[in-house]
Amino acid sequence: DAKTTQPTSMDCAEGRAANLPCNHSTISGNEYVYWYRQIHSQGPQYIIHGLKNNETNEMASLIITEDRKSSTLILPHATLRDTAVYYCIVRVVAGAGSYQLTFGKGTKLSVIP
Amino acid sequence: NAGVTQTPKFRILKIGQSMTLQCAQDMNHNYMYWYRQDPGMGLKLIYYSVGAGITDKGEVPNGYNVSRSTTEDFPLRLELAAPSQTSVYFCASSDRGGGANVLTFGAGSRLTVL
Repeated sequence: DAKTTQPTSMDCAEGRAANLPCNHSTISGNEYVYWYRQIHSQGPQYIIHGLKNNETNEMASLIITEDRKSSTLILPHATLRDTAVYYCIVRVVAGAGSYQLTFGKGTKLSVIP
Repeated sequence: NAGVTQTPKFRILKIGQSMTLQCAQDMNHNYMYWYRQDPGMGLKLIYYSVGAGITDKGEVPNGYNVSRSTTEDFPLRLELAAPSQTSVYFCASSDRGGGANVLTFGAGSRLTVL
């Protein structure tokens, strides 16, 4: 199973870009990298995912290194509402043709005014 | 579009009591999941289902049971509540199991066992 390593916590000034790193050195060639976030005690919210190429959507950008052993989630203009725990996840293969997402402890991002 | 709906939001149980956490989704998703989250920790998978009539164990299934009689509903049953089951429970669903597997989560059910 591919494991991920993330810093426990990070701070970011409001209005600046937040860059959240993730290491996944044992990722397999066909495994996606997912990012979710959890605001306070709410249910996790999907942000973005990618396989090989960099991805961008209305919420964030995902930069995946060429060797796919690490990635960075970028929130271009962080706001106070982006304060949350951010989870970097690599899909884990389970039975019955299903794939599970295993959530670690994530990175606690604090956006500071 | 309600997404994933969980009930109840809060519940206090006594040791040995039983209860069912309800989960319903209106997105016609085949895949559904139950996670638990202990304070300060990540989410751990309890059970999952790939379609009506099919369920399987996740990482921490002991003390729980599930059923999937319809596509929409995936209830989680606690038979003999124990303090170790004090946690926040999240239900999620997705429209596929492989490839890009994007989960939609419910708001959670906070359970306390005393």
